[in-house]
Amino acid sequence: AQSVSQHNHHVILSEAASLELGCNYSYGGTVNLFWYVQYPGQHLQLLLKYFSGDPLVKGIKGFEAEFIKSKFSFNLRKPSVQWSDTAEYFCAVIFLNQAGTALIFGKGTTLSVSS
Amino acid sequence: KAGVTQTPRYLIKTRGQQVTLSCSPISGHRSVSWYQQTPGQGLQFLFEYFSETQRNKGNFPGRFSGRQFSNSRSEMNVSTLELGDSALYLCASSLDIGQEEAFFGQGTRLTVV
Repeated sequence: AQSVSQHNHHVILSEAASLELGCNYSYGGTVNLFWYVQYPGQHLQLLLKYFSGDPLVKGIKGFEAEFIKSKFSFNLRKPSVQWSDTAEYFCAVIFLNQAGTALIFGKGTTLSVSS
Repeated sequence: KAGVTQTPRYLIKTRGQQVTLSCSPISGHRSVSWYQQTPGQGLQFLFEYFSETQRNKGNFPGRFSGRQFSNSRSEMNVSTLELGDSALYLCASSLDIGQEEAFFGQGTRLTVV
């Protein structure tokens, strides 16, 4: 079955530390890739997405992600986190071999940033 | 423009009852998907609708059903509620079926007692 794995369940960082959240998916074909963020009490919001082209994509709030096809990975990075980045982060994939366009989500990573 | 609207925001139901949740997509969006979010399982895909047709279905029992109306609004229904159905149910809309960005609503928090 097609699946998405996020390596870290809970990450704790101090402000200004660098962040990298891992995401791997199970399928070797064509995929569309997304990172969503859910701030406390808010709805899921798109951070960034990759469909094709430059494998290094930049999103909102200084986040970026790199698609490495050979590793089936789409890791999220931020050079310097802020307290306001405290949230839950979800990697999501659309596997383009299937009928429909369901987003398959990873289990999420909770990021806690201390000031 | 208005975002995805889900009603109600909170629901408490008793085991064995049924429940209907509603989702109004962003104006002009024709694709609506539903997800169940729980602490243990994360976000799991329920079903996806486009032009009143179910295009894809996740691995949930037949007690979970949905439909989409001609104005793209969608409802999902859960019959014979079980304790394990307690979750946040999220609706997402996108412009078209395909590789589009999905916009999520705030969700409906269902508690089954």
